[in-house]
Amino acid sequence: EAGVAQSPRYKIIEKRQSVAFWCNPISGHATLYWYQQILGQGPKLLIQFQNNGVVDDSQLPKDRFSAERLKGVDSTLKIQPAKLEDSAVYLCASSVSPFNQPQHFGDGTRLSIL
Amino acid sequence: EDQVTQSPEALRLQEGESSSLNCSYTVSGLRGLFWYRQDPGKGPEFLFTLYSAGEEKEKERLKATLTKKESFLHITAPKPEDSATYLCAVSAGNMLTFGGGTRLMVKP
Repeated sequence: EAGVAQSPRYKIIEKRQSVAFWCNPISGHATLYWYQQILGQGPKLLIQFQNNGVVDDSQLPKDRFSAERLKGVDSTLKIQPAKLEDSAVYLCASSVSPFNQPQHFGDGTRLSIL
Repeated sequence: EDQVTQSPEALRLQEGESSSLNCSYTVSGLRGLFWYRQDPGKGPEFLFTLYSAGEEKEKERLKATLTKKESFLHITAPKPEDSATYLCAVSAGNMLTFGGGTRLMVKP
């Protein structure tokens, strides 16, 4: 079974620029999550999709972050404009359902803001 | 607000030296507690789910236990390849709340 795929693996941009990350979940997984993991901390949920609808985006900084999941499969997360504090690893995860099912993570995109 | 605290932040062991990692939590209506392993440059890898107090799960040298306020990850006779960051997370609804992790280093 193929795992969660993310790209790019690394991205370096200057502050105020925009950036986008892509995620392809495990086939058949209806629930998709984006997390932000700052160095030395645990992952923090940004947004959760069930199929192509948003379930929870309460911790997403909506003035600069946006996410979509078209057709209930792939997803993109965008930051515009980026700030220095956005430097982190952005992890995508998927699960069969949102209820107490293990989440399976991709290896993330490491974002550095100069 | 759900809170998860892991201790210690870092742990150094000699190969074969057994120990335990702690995860204490405050949550309204725990639905599940999850343990993950994370290697440098990788995403978290699922290890265990525990659903109710008294439950235990085992996998190779790892054993996870759960009480009403905390969970322990016991590592028996660890090997250098067990070196990683161990994360615990709680579910009280749709979302997971993660602790800060314990960085485990096992020296040969």
